[in-house]
Amino acid sequence: DTAVSQTPKYLVTQMGNDKSIKCEQNLGHDTMYWYKQDSKKFLKIMFSYNNKELIINETVPNRFSPKSPDKAHLNLHINSLELGDSAVYFCASSPSRLVNTEAFFGQGTRLTVV
Amino acid sequence: AQKITQTQPGMFVQEKEAVTLDCTYDTSDPSYGLFWYKQPSSGEMIFLIYQGSYDQQNATEGRYSLNFQKARKSANLVISASQLGDSAMYFCAMREFPQGGSEKLVFGKGTKLTVNP
Repeated sequence: DTAVSQTPKYLVTQMGNDKSIKCEQNLGHDTMYWYKQDSKKFLKIMFSYNNKELIINETVPNRFSPKSPDKAHLNLHINSLELGDSAVYFCASSPSRLVNTEAFFGQGTRLTVV
Repeated sequence: AQKITQTQPGMFVQEKEAVTLDCTYDTSDPSYGLFWYKQPSSGEMIFLIYQGSYDQQNATEGRYSLNFQKARKSANLVISASQLGDSAMYFCAMREFPQGGSEKLVFGKGTKLTVNP
């Protein structure tokens, strides 16, 4: 059973399109994250949700909008895609407010904007 | 300012030898957690080891150990008896709860480890 699953795994789309990446976790965790990994492999946090509430919103263009319909899901919607959005996007989850637990990652979504 | 610093963009080690991957961190919070993740070429993020700020002993998990030096704010990963399958990117991460702020899990820029036969 996959603990954190993201769909799709690969996404190729044209500039200007709107696309969504879905993330689901079956671990019962309260906290979910979105990270962007650029071509230099740097993992940058984008958003963090705790029990469906947005708690971290890093400096991310407002074309990126996370949506959490329930605490098991955190989807990422991107409007008006740009070439610079090409990256691997990782979803992760962890139990909240507990320092001593690792975050579990999805397998990543490789987004290519052409 | 960088919260997590990994100064080695790349490291090479001979199979069966030990290797240390460096990580320093910056926080003013007394309670935090330090993690190491491995990312092989297939892309998934694999949790390796955890060290809590209050832990008295260095964490160990099989061939992985964490050399935790709190005063120096360093959390180096030691891999003993390297194997070819250890070739991957390694990320150091810190989870903290800043006063008046939100919990964060932040990553360093990673170290690419290559194990030579």
